[in-house]
This record gives sequence, structure tokens and C-alpha cells, in this order.
Amino acid sequence: EIVMTQSPATLSVSPGERATLSCRASQSVGPNLAWYQQKPGQAPRLLIYGASTRATGIPARFSGSGSGTEFTLTISSLQSEDFAIYYCQQYNMWPPLTFGGGTKVEIK
Amino acid sequence: EVQLVQSGAEVKKPGESLKISCKASGYTFTNYWIGWVRQMPGKGLEWMGIIFPRDTDTRYSPSFQGQVTISADKSTSTAYLQWSSLKASDTAMYFCARFGENAGTFEYWGQGIPVTVSS
Repeated sequence: EIVMTQSPATLSVSPGERATLSCRASQSVGPNLAWYQQKPGQAPRLLIYGASTRATGIPARFSGSGSGTEFTLTISSLQSEDFAIYYCQQYNMWPPLTFGGGTKVEIK
Repeated sequence: EVQLVQSGAEVKKPGESLKISCKASGYTFTNYWIGWVRQMPGKGLEWMGIIFPRDTDTRYSPSFQGQVTISADKSTSTAYLQWSSLKASDTAMYFCARFGENAGTFEYWGQGIPVTVSS
């Protein structure tokens, strides 16, 4: 099973600042990495797939990068609606599909 | 418009059985994998398993293999998740979710079903 590790667990950022979230895989997943956003009481929403491709309707301030075992999600200028929990997920080798433990982005 | 509409909240006792549902609409049900994700209170996302309705090919996470059963009814475009004997540790939110065109990623999600198991 591929283990996904996200860091930091919590990120405190001021509105308008940049946020950088990390995700590491226990073995290479190639480009097969997705990012999701989850707000309280809501289902997750797909942000990024293929490590760097934004899903339909996702604003350009969200960008993904990386390949193999190291990935980054960057939010260039945090808006109030971006404060949420973010999860990475690998789909290179499954079952099982595996998620990271999440990074909570909170208001500083 | 793709929609996944899940059944309502459940409150059960340990040892009881349960079957929850996820009704799909807005697309051809048999053409896409549809899966289940657990979220325990205050915790992260855990993939449970997935089914391809066209041929009922079903894959499970090792963590959930033998603990739950995933099925699908093509006639009603509905996916199911069931337990034969619930435990208190099954208390969680359960989401159904469908792969997008990029297989492996969950592009569409149901609203979630809270399941509470308590004596």
C-alpha cells in the first residue's frame, strides 16, 4: 500500500498570502496525484489531478506541481473561501486508493 | 448534470445490519466506477472500495475487505454499501463518489450519510 504523508498538519496564513502544502508518497506514483478541498460539513471537491491539471471550474490561484514522490499544492493568494482542509490522493497503484492525512489551512 | 444523491442519516445499534444508497443521475451509470469513502469524526478520508456497474467488478481496500459489501443496481442507477453486523467503530460519515474522465480521481461526490452506531 502506498502511504501518503502531508505536511504541515496545520498552516496558518493571512488572507492574500501564498500557501504551500506538501504531499509525499512512500513510493513513486508518477504524475498520478490528486488534490481535494473539504470545507466543514461538505463533501470534498476535486481541485487538481495529474499532479498539475486543474479540475473544471477551479480558479487559477490553485496550482499543483511535482512528480514521483514529492508534490506541492500552491494557493497563490488566499481568499476567505480557501480556508479549508486539503487532501492529496494517489491513484497510480490501486487498490487501495490512498489519501494523505490532510492539511488544515486556517486564518492567521 | 451529474448528481449523486445519498440516502438519509442512520442511527443503529451494534450488531444490526445496514444498507445505505447512492442514486446516480445525469450520466450513463454503467460507464464509470463509483466508490465509497469513510470519514470518521474529526478525521481524514479513507477509501473503502469501488464498483464498476457495467460488469460489477468490485475492488476493496484491505482495511475494509470482508467488513462491508459494495453493490450496484443498474436498473435504478444506485450504488450500495452494506454491513451485516455494525460496530460502534463504524460511526462515521460515508460519501459515495464517482471517477471522472481521469480514472482514479473522484470528480463527483454525494452529500454524505452520517451513520451513528450506539447502544
